[in-house]
Amino acid sequence: QQQVKQSPQSLIVQKGGISIINCAYENTAFDYFPWYQQFPGKGPALLIAIRPDVSEKKEGRFTISFNKSAKQFSLHIMDSQPGDSATYFCAAIENGSGNTGKLIFGQGTTLQVKP
Amino acid sequence: NAGVTQTPKFRILKIGQSMTLQCTQDMNHNYMYWYRQDPGMGLKLIYYSVGAGITDKGEVPNGYNVSRSTTEDFPLRLELAAPSQTSVYFCASSSRQAGGYGYTFGSGTRLTVV
Repeated sequence: QQQVKQSPQSLIVQKGGISIINCAYENTAFDYFPWYQQFPGKGPALLIAIRPDVSEKKEGRFTISFNKSAKQFSLHIMDSQPGDSATYFCAAIENGSGNTGKLIFGQGTTLQVKP
Repeated sequence: NAGVTQTPKFRILKIGQSMTLQCTQDMNHNYMYWYRQDPGMGLKLIYYSVGAGITDKGEVPNGYNVSRSTTEDFPLRLELAAPSQTSVYFCASSSRQAGGYGYTFGSGTRLTVV
């Protein structure tokens, strides 16, 4: 079963708008929640990450909101730009089994920002 | 600073053929991982290693094998290729000391089995 569920699958936003991608998880042992950005033909690259003891983290135009009780977290991209067009993955670290650092990924969201 | 290097970038295999996907990292990371990426499915963990000589199965290990004889290299072996193995494969490495489990991904190998 999908341990991290991500929505929507695709998203189209106008330049200057706000892009919002949502993720939900079940495993309460997860202790680190990164977001990755992937451009075509490239590997995923870390965008921003949060730990469950923090409700929000902001880096430039990118913000993670975290709701521990609801087991949900989301990525907000403010003032979205065409250069933000990419695939975004939420993920979670499985903190157990000897701390192997295995990343569990969501299904991915393809974002298109129209000029 | 090369990071994580994967070869080849593209490959077409016939059903039943075998091949090895190469992965090398120069960051002295102990942890290395192989993922496959399929449309709408995200990335699924195939195998991982927490150090030289130590490997373990991930979520989708069937049809694959790995070895880790050195810290730098973590090759992925496909035996008897099947169409279901058509995918994009990513190798990654991380160091616990990086803080926040900092992962570095390679640029991927696009494999087609026909």
